[in-house]
Amino acid sequence: GEQVEQRPPHLSVREGDSAVITCTYTDPNSYYFFWYKQEPGASLQLLMKVFSSTEINEGQGFTVLLNKKDKRLSLNLTAAHPGDSAAYFCAVSGDTGANTGKLTFGHGTILRVHP
Amino acid sequence: DAGVTQTPRHEVAEKGQTIILKCEPVSGHNDLFWYRQTKIQGLELLSYFRSKSLMEDGGAFKDRFKAEMLNSSFSTLKIQPTEPKDSAVYLCASSQDWGDTQYFGPGTRLLVL
Repeated sequence: GEQVEQRPPHLSVREGDSAVITCTYTDPNSYYFFWYKQEPGASLQLLMKVFSSTEINEGQGFTVLLNKKDKRLSLNLTAAHPGDSAAYFCAVSGDTGANTGKLTFGHGTILRVHP
Repeated sequence: DAGVTQTPRHEVAEKGQTIILKCEPVSGHNDLFWYRQTKIQGLELLSYFRSKSLMEDGGAFKDRFKAEMLNSSFSTLKIQPTEPKDSAVYLCASSQDWGDTQYFGPGTRLLVL
């Protein structure tokens, strides 16, 4: 089945710096990609949903890049601030076969942004 | 519009007890998921329903974990008997259809002594 590897597990940056989190996946038929944010003690909140046809996706304060050739998904927080401190999870969903409709999650990245 | 609700938010159980966790999906959503979240294993899929039909029955979790969806607006996850290694946060999520965004509930934090 699908496997998703997320790096790094922990990331510490200063306020205003960029922060990059990367996921690689194994199933070439993966079609939907997600980034979720989880603040301490809270549940997962959707940051962005990405379709396989879109390589660059802009959000508020972040960019998501999808490289289907390399099977890599990345989240780039362009100017991090302390409110971005949280755990971030990528998730991948397939379009066919056993992975249809199911999300396979990366293991998560705990981001700390220092003032 | 109400999101996914889960009860209870916290549960403490003795080893060997039976516990039942509850979830109400977003109204109109057809897919419902149960996950377990731990620091070591991350997010693991326990069960998956599509239009109330069980699509995924938990694999390694089968023998003590049983999820049911008696109607489209309510699901339960029963753990019987509980073991200390079941201590985790149990998350319920729902989506409108396959491939759609999954919306997560606040979770139930379970501690098994």
